[in-house]
Amino acid sequence: AQSVTQLDSQVPVFEEAPVELRCNYSSSVSVYLFWYVQYPNQGLQLLLKYLSGSTLVESINGFEAEFNKSQTSFHLRKPSVHISDTAEYFCAVRGAGSYQLTFGKGTKLSVIP
Amino acid sequence: DTEVTQTPKHLVMGMTNKKSLKCEQHMGHRAMYWYKQKAKKPPELMFVYSYEKLSINESVPSRFSPECPNSSLLNLHLHALQPEDSALYLCASSPKTGFHEQYFGPGTRLTVT
Repeated sequence: AQSVTQLDSQVPVFEEAPVELRCNYSSSVSVYLFWYVQYPNQGLQLLLKYLSGSTLVESINGFEAEFNKSQTSFHLRKPSVHISDTAEYFCAVRGAGSYQLTFGKGTKLSVIP
Repeated sequence: DTEVTQTPKHLVMGMTNKKSLKCEQHMGHRAMYWYKQKAKKPPELMFVYSYEKLSINESVPSRFSPECPNSSLLNLHLHALQPEDSALYLCASSPKTGFHEQYFGPGTRLTVT
């Protein structure tokens, strides 16, 4: 079984400041890792994923996440946030050979003008 | 077509009503999922269909009845719901159950009165 811990339930940050949303996981097997974003009153959108290969993955809108196997982490970062980044961010893990996505409890990112 | 659609967007129903939620995808995916998401919580898996057959039922009460009439369509039939069933119901699909990421629809916001 897998589990995900998102250490911060809420993160307020000023516009154009950098942000890091933390995610730690535990699993007895190798994992695939995901970040999903949910804007108010909408469904989930895949932001980025780590499947294999380079441990640093990037999204088209400036977010990046780094898979750190030794620290079992997959933190999400952006060097300069915009108002439009205000949303709920969910880290998710799927174990190799498993169908199931396990989600963290989410981090609400609020960008302050 | 790279999206999952869900209808209706909003639904209000009484505890004695019968209603259905609909989900559709035209990406050729052979795995489809229903999730329930309560406010400020992560999505919780309810059902998984693989090649139009129910493969996972996460101990969901029988007042929720899924149906997969064909490879593109997934329904969730609702009957005798309780107010605590009010939530956002999300549909997702993936090429197959072992594939890496799931693509989510926008959800149906259900209110049970």
